[in-house]
Amino acid sequence: DGGITQSPKYLFRKEGQNVTLSCEQNLNHDAMYWYRQDPGQGLRLIYYSQIVNDFQKGDIAEGYSVSREKKESFPLTVTSAQKNPTAFYLCASSRRRTENYGYTFGSGTRLTVV
Amino acid sequence: GESVGLHLPTLSVQEGDNSIINCAYSNSASDYFIWYKQESGKGPQFIIDIRSNMDKRQGQRVTVLLNKTVKHLSLQIAATQPGDSAVYFCAETDGNNRLAFGKGNQVVVIP
Repeated sequence: DGGITQSPKYLFRKEGQNVTLSCEQNLNHDAMYWYRQDPGQGLRLIYYSQIVNDFQKGDIAEGYSVSREKKESFPLTVTSAQKNPTAFYLCASSRRRTENYGYTFGSGTRLTVV
Repeated sequence: GESVGLHLPTLSVQEGDNSIINCAYSNSASDYFIWYKQESGKGPQFIIDIRSNMDKRQGQRVTVLLNKTVKHLSLQIAATQPGDSAVYFCAETDGNNRLAFGKGNQVVVIP
């Protein structure tokens, strides 16, 4: 079955640590996205990538970094510069410029600062 | 864990009744619209989509209505079931391949 996999499901970070969230897809989608979700605030775009080796900042990129070395993978690093990292993180992927622009989402990673 | 539905507009509906969830969008150039369902602790799942050349589309127990004149989208769920309890998001795009999401509406089904 094709899909998008996020890991881990739960992640705990100490103050000052960097942590990396994994996102892998086998849908052959060109574009991938990272969203942050806080209660009552909907989805906010962190970074997105439309092609391998290229990515752009979203609306709330400060304190985060990404890489896109392979089409299947789009890991997100939450750095110590992110002051309030506790949130639910969602990865998504989509085809580029086809009839169906819809996103397929992963099941999310809940990050908690301890 | 804390629910994503906390602090969202909430629709409480009796099991078996119909639900209507509304969404206003702002970009008059948007030509593709999607409704997603998100259960607690999970990622959003595609429910139904509609293109701007249509004003109504039906799926299994769900209907999406699009009114481009007032930039309004709605999702109707027939015979609401306990498994329909979730947060529902609308999303729009004008073809630049980035979806813009609404904040979401919490639906609570009362048995």
